[in-house]
Amino acid sequence: GAVVSQHPSRVICKSGTSVKIECRSLDFQATTMFWYRQFPKQSLMLMATSNEGSKATYEQGVEKDKFLINHASLTLSTLTVTSAHPEDSSFYICSARLPGLITAGYTFGSGTRLTVV
Amino acid sequence: AQSVSQHNHHVILSEAASLELGCNYSYGGTVNLFWYVQYPGQHLQLLLKYFSGDPLVKGIKGFEAEFIKSKFSFNLRKPSVQWSDTAEYFCAVLGGGAQKLVFGQGTRLTINP
Repeated sequence: GAVVSQHPSRVICKSGTSVKIECRSLDFQATTMFWYRQFPKQSLMLMATSNEGSKATYEQGVEKDKFLINHASLTLSTLTVTSAHPEDSSFYICSARLPGLITAGYTFGSGTRLTVV
Repeated sequence: AQSVSQHNHHVILSEAASLELGCNYSYGGTVNLFWYVQYPGQHLQLLLKYFSGDPLVKGIKGFEAEFIKSKFSFNLRKPSVQWSDTAEYFCAVLGGGAQKLVFGQGTRLTINP
């Protein structure tokens, strides 16, 4: 079935540095991808909708300049956490709509555990 | 905007017990509903989904859910749970032509052998 590959699975970075997370759709083209953030023992909070070839749509309260999203091709979306701070430590998950009818649903990446020290 | 509420934060059961996890959503229009499971250390997997038709939806691993429109509910059920069902369960709604899923808070299910 359609798979979304997310890398890296874990990353530790120093405060003030930037981290890039990649999300690739395998075997299908994803015009729309979604980036979620999951805090420990909490739900997935949608951060932004990534649209191929255009600007991402951010949810209320999400800093656009801090969480840069690029969706330059139909198979790749990237999330860059700029000037990371310890409070950005979290689990980040990407998702893509499966091609075809809306009933096809969504597929999710395996997530990236970001730890900022 | 649509929202999803899962009432049970942590459910602990013994093997072979019956399970029902609550999910209520708030949206007045046509909705599409999902249940996802997240096993420890793994990514989200789809258990089942409802788009239209029979309100009783059967999913993988013996799970089912019933869409009750009048109650804005989509509860997840399993007649006899197994230790391997230990995981986090998320209800999600897609409504109003929006492309984005809105998730509930999640329910942590612990099955004791």
